Amino acid sequence: DAKTTQPNSMESNEEEPVHLPCNHSTISGTDYIHWYRQLPSQGPEYVIHGLTSNVNNRMASLAIAEDRKSSTLILHRATLRDAAVYYCILRDVGGSQGNLIFGKGTKLSVKP
Amino acid sequence: ETGVTQSPTHLIKTRGQQVTLRCSSQSGHNTVSWYQQALGQGPQFIFQYYREEENGRGNFPPRFSGLQFPNYSSELNVNALELDDSALYLCASSLAVASGELFFGEGSRLTVL
Repeated sequence: DAKTTQPNSMESNEEEPVHLPCNHSTISGTDYIHWYRQLPSQGPEYVIHGLTSNVNNRMASLAIAEDRKSSTLILHRATLRDAAVYYCILRDVGGSQGNLIFGKGTKLSVKP
Repeated sequence: ETGVTQSPTHLIKTRGQQVTLRCSSQSGHNTVSWYQQALGQGPQFIFQYYREEENGRGNFPPRFSGLQFPNYSSELNVNALELDDSALYLCASSLAVASGELFFGEGSRLTVL
């Protein structure tokens, strides 16, 4: 699986939007872009995934660049509960289904 | 619908001992994978089981082994424990579809003294 690059940490204020960037310049055509987050003392939690088009769900939005070399996870209104480590992961559609390659992720802090 | 549950939540072992960790998959999920997460690091893939067969393995030695049972629950066994095996061990279940999301348990925290 291709590697991703994320900032080590970001800060946000409560109730403001948060844009978490991810670079994946060596992405292949069959790589899905997945985002997971891990709250303190919990296992990772699925957030969203996409292939080429922007995606929205109840938790977040995923904006994918036209060349697919970068993407941005958007939390529309950050809450204190959104403080977590966010992982951007590429997964080949033909690869081992349960094998996600986690980096160190971005630690998001949310200030009240 | 029950989520992924793991046991025990915490345990302490000494070097050279063996440990068995258990995982109950989310209802209806036929694939289970195990991860090791050292402090301050992202989870690392150990292996995956699908229909009781191992069908994917990360860069872990053979003393890490597993089982999946007909009800899709799973065990992770680690023999000859080393100090560096101290970590959070996470189990994740999923449906065997290409883009399916993984559902993680809260993990078992292993300390090796």
